[in-house]
Amino acid sequence: GAVVSQHPSWVICKSGTSVKIECRSLDFQATTMFWYRQFPKQSLMLMATSNEGSKATYEQGVEKDKFLINHASLTLSTLTVTSAHPEDSSFYICSARDRTGGNSPLHFGNGTRLTVT
Amino acid sequence: GESVGLHLPTLSVQEGDNSIINCAYSNSASDYFIWYKQESGKGPQFIIDIRSNMDKRQGQRVTVLLNKTVKHLSLQIAATQPGDSAVYFCAENPPIYSTLTFGKGTMLLVSP
Repeated sequence: GAVVSQHPSWVICKSGTSVKIECRSLDFQATTMFWYRQFPKQSLMLMATSNEGSKATYEQGVEKDKFLINHASLTLSTLTVTSAHPEDSSFYICSARDRTGGNSPLHFGNGTRLTVT
Repeated sequence: GESVGLHLPTLSVQEGDNSIINCAYSNSASDYFIWYKQESGKGPQFIIDIRSNMDKRQGQRVTVLLNKTVKHLSLQIAATQPGDSAVYFCAENPPIYSTLTFGKGTMLLVSP
C-alpha cells in the first residue's frame, strides 16, 4: 500500500529558531501533499496544500511566511516553521493521495511532534 | 457508555462488545467518506471508505453505514478488542476539493 514517511518524528527547538519537517511518498508520486496541524484531543486542521512545482495554497488564518512549504519533487514536500514560538508547539502531519482527484483515501505520515521552548 | 469531554467524546466498551461510532458530516454534496483510526502519537490510519452511491460497506470486522438523508455516517466494529482503542475520525470529501474535511473524532476505550 501507499506509504508516506515523515521526518523527524519529534523535535525540540528554542524559541526564534526554524525547524524543517520532511514528508516523502515512498512508493508513489504525489503532485499534491497536504499539511495538517493537530492540538491535543482535537481533530486535524488543514494548514496548506502543497503543489509540486508551484506555490502552496494556505488555509485562512495560516501565515504563509511563518509556515514555508516547498514541494520540489513528486515525492517530497517540506514544511519549515520559521522563527518558532511556544504557541507553534503542536503535532504536524502530512498526507498525500496516490492518484489525483477524489474517491481515494489520503495516506498519512506518522506526524512530527514539535515542542518550542 | 458515551460521554463528551472538553473536546473529544469518548465511547467506553468492554472487550468483545460491538462498538458503534457516529459522525455527522457537513456538506450534503460530499461524495466520498472515510473512517480513520489514530493511535496516540501516530498519524491517522485508513480503516474503510464508502462512496455516496452506497449506503453500506463491510470490511474485516468493520462496517460503515451512510445515511445521506440526514448526513450521518457510522462505523461499526464487531467484537471490539483492546487494540481497537484509539481515536476514530470520519472524513468527507466535498466535490471539487482535493483534500478531506475531518470530523471532531471519538475516542474509543476498550477495557478487558
